[in-house]
Amino acid sequence: QSVLTQPPSASGTPGQRVTISCSGSSSNIGSHTVNWYQQLPGTAPKFLIYDNNQRPSGVPDRFSGSKSGTSASLAISGLQSEDEADYYCATWDDSLNGPVFGGGTKLTVL
Amino acid sequence: QLQLQESGAGLVKPSETLSLTCAVSGGSISSRGYSWSWIRQPPGKGLEWIGFMYHSGSTHHNPSLKSRVAISVDRSKNQFSLKLSSVTAADTAVYYCARVRGSGQVTDVYSQFDSWGQGTLVTVSS
Repeated sequence: QSVLTQPPSASGTPGQRVTISCSGSSSNIGSHTVNWYQQLPGTAPKFLIYDNNQRPSGVPDRFSGSKSGTSASLAISGLQSEDEADYYCATWDDSLNGPVFGGGTKLTVL
Repeated sequence: QLQLQESGAGLVKPSETLSLTCAVSGGSISSRGYSWSWIRQPPGKGLEWIGFMYHSGSTHHNPSLKSRVAISVDRSKNQFSLKLSSVTAADTAVYYCARVRGSGQVTDVYSQFDSWGQGTLVTVSS
């Protein structure tokens, strides 16, 4: 069971906007910034969002992040078929004294 | 462009030691401002942090793995390594090495893995 809670699945149709939530506690999301990773099938995770809402170079602005209290969200607008992947949130946890990941959300583009 | 490549035995017997190496190219493992990490993913499951190697060469690992983890660096070869002892079937996973987007005292950067290897599957079985 992951320290950070994500819905196991999400879906949307092309062009739609979808959001994926990530819930934690005061020892992790409540005290630290949140990052997001995209894992396409059969590949390594890719750095997608950092510091709650910042995009690394090369990441389309269709991807955005936000954080409020002990929860965070990833939003994908203008959904495309190539966005079909697993998405993971991550942050530092003071209790573990290390980084923790959410269980992942499998996004299906219908 | 930075590239990371894992290598090592793909099959390890129970109770033995898993050994992996991450070769870094396109950049120096001794570059200031970065740290290095191992992360694993059991088949069909999520990601689990294993440990860090800081720029100073000191290490820090996931307490859940107790004292089974050892991370070391060979700066002359621009690579770092993972050893996980007393493995069981629960250690079967794809193992990734990754670069941490930062170093120093600010803990937030230590969940920012900005470059990853392709991963290598290690199966624990007799």
